[in-house]
Amino acid sequence: LAKTTQPISMDSYEGQEVNITCSHNNIATNDYITWYQQFPSQGPRFIIQGYKTKVTNEVASLFIPADRKSSTLSLPRVSLSDTAVYYCLVASWGAGSYQLTFGKGTKLSVIP
Amino acid sequence: ETGVTQTPRHLVMGMTNKKSLKCEQHLGHNAMYWYKQSAKKPLELMFVYSLEERVENNSVPSRFSPECPNSSHLFLHLHTLQPEDSALYLCASSPGLAGNNEQFFGPGTRLTVL
Repeated sequence: LAKTTQPISMDSYEGQEVNITCSHNNIATNDYITWYQQFPSQGPRFIIQGYKTKVTNEVASLFIPADRKSSTLSLPRVSLSDTAVYYCLVASWGAGSYQLTFGKGTKLSVIP
Repeated sequence: ETGVTQTPRHLVMGMTNKKSLKCEQHLGHNAMYWYKQSAKKPLELMFVYSLEERVENNSVPSRFSPECPNSSHLFLHLHTLQPEDSALYLCASSPGLAGNNEQFFGPGTRLTVL
């Protein structure tokens, strides 16, 4: 089971780019990397997912190096509404078992 | 609104009580999950169901008993819980079972065991 490590907290000013890195040294071949955002009193919400290289959608980018032992979530020009906890997830399904590990989360605080 | 609803949103129960948490998904998904989220701990996967069949039970104590009567509904039956079971219980669903399937989470049930 892949173990994930991410910073406990980060602060950023509005308008800046924020990069949050998650380490997953023993990621398996079949594992995908997914990032979720969670606001207080809500369930996590999908942000972006990747397997390798770079993925970009309308809200974020995900950078995954060739060895896949880490991944970096990039949030461009953050606003106050991006203040939340961000989780990385490494997961795969195979051989009748779900291998799934959430990180402990990074609490992002955006400052005006 | 994620298409996954959970009731109740808050629950306080004594250690001798029996209660149930309910989850319903309106997304036509085939897989449903129960997670436990405690303060300062990562999300813990408890149970996974696929097409109403339990496919994963991550060493969860027997005082937690899941039930999936159909692919849209998932229950978590609780009995003789301990104070350390107090947590946010999250339900999620996904189209199927695969590491690249996006999971859609409900808002959770905040459980307090006295």
